[in-house]
Amino acid sequence: SAVISQKPSRDICQRGTSLTIQCQVDSQVTMMFWYRQQPGQSLTLIATANQGSEATYESGFVIDKFPISRPNLTFSTLTVSNMSPEDSSIYLCSARTGNYGYTFGSGTRLTVV
Amino acid sequence: AQSVTQLDSQVPVFEEAPVELRCNYSSSVSVYLFWYVQYPNQGLQLLLKYLSGSTLVKGINGFEAEFNKSQTSFHLRKPSVHISDTAEYFCAVSDYLGGAQKLVFGQGTRLTINP
Repeated sequence: SAVISQKPSRDICQRGTSLTIQCQVDSQVTMMFWYRQQPGQSLTLIATANQGSEATYESGFVIDKFPISRPNLTFSTLTVSNMSPEDSSIYLCSARTGNYGYTFGSGTRLTVV
Repeated sequence: AQSVTQLDSQVPVFEEAPVELRCNYSSSVSVYLFWYVQYPNQGLQLLLKYLSGSTLVKGINGFEAEFNKSQTSFHLRKPSVHISDTAEYFCAVSDYLGGAQKLVFGQGTRLTINP
């Protein structure tokens, strides 16, 4: 199955700044997803990112706050913009791979101070 | 839209005892079902998945799950747990007939194994 390299693994950021998270897949995938996992909570889907089209955002998430890029079939970025302490979470990327598999990156643990 | 309910937020079990983690799903269409494990400070690892065929699915680390369409359930079981099974377990569903094909997760069950 595919392997996803996600970075940074963790960061501490000042409020009002932005952080870009990168995910690199070791094979070409059509569909990638970005999730947020707030402390002690489950995973909530932020958006679906398909190469060559605009990302599709879930209810409660907007492009201005979480812009996503998907320049090719192996790479995607998520930016968390104008951060506040409420954005402190783990952010995970995922890719849909062959035989209906979903592979996850190791996550980015973000703390906003 | 599909949804997943994990009926237990925490399950404490003694080492070498059996365990069942319960998962019920709601969907108006056929679904694929998954169980993932998350060890502390790590990403998600796939334990097993149900796509079609036999309703009893065997996964890694001795886990298995049974798909019950009439009860819309996909409970995870292990006959004898080990300390190393301490982790958060997530049940997830995907609507394979839908264009989005996204995974929707349950709230998670924290499995704690006591010696």
